Amino acid sequence: DTGVSQDPRHKITKRGQNVTFRCDPISEHNRLYWYRQTLGQGPEFLTYFQNEAQLEKSRLLSDRFSAERPKGSFSTLEIQRTEQGDSAMYLCASSQRDSRTDTQYFGPGTRLTVL
Amino acid sequence: SQQGEEDPQALSIQEGENATMNCSYKTSINNLQWYRQNSGRGLVHLILIRSNEREKHSGRLRVTLDTSKKSSSLLITASRAADTASYFCATVVNSGYSTLTFGKGTMLLVSP
Repeated sequence: DTGVSQDPRHKITKRGQNVTFRCDPISEHNRLYWYRQTLGQGPEFLTYFQNEAQLEKSRLLSDRFSAERPKGSFSTLEIQRTEQGDSAMYLCASSQRDSRTDTQYFGPGTRLTVL
Repeated sequence: SQQGEEDPQALSIQEGENATMNCSYKTSINNLQWYRQNSGRGLVHLILIRSNEREKHSGRLRVTLDTSKKSSSLLITASRAADTASYFCATVVNSGYSTLTFGKGTMLLVSP
């Protein structure tokens, strides 16, 4: 049984650089979510995919952020021209649409540090 | 923005004691969920309670929901050191997309 996986687990970058994170959801799940969590806070929603379609984006997702989910399987989150304020844990979650439950299963996260 | 507010922010108890955490939220919800997060790790889903339910049990967990007060509580009975973690409530306000809106969490420390 493989859960949600994320890669890399840690990323240290210099301000101004671009970074890309990958999320592999549970194989039969058609919904995929990205969240961001800063220290001492709960996760905040960034964006949501159903299959390959990006259906919802938070206002937190500035123009420097882009997410894709080609073929409705894995997803990537790219941050361009990183800023120190982008330092956070980036969490991915997936779920299978079910009329009775909406349980999201989270990956271990990618911790980004922008120097 | 954060929808829920957990109370207390931190809780320290001894093994065997019960731990109660509360959550308040602001808008109408489809369901409310509780998650656990060990330090620096991803979140683990604990329990989901729908807006038309008032109480739910799962093992040592008991969740209540009062939609008139827009509040929920999570009770962990007979706590163990392994329960040490941060606990978050999360609400689903748009049942179509099921995106979660989290509170800031309660940090629980269970001492042996």
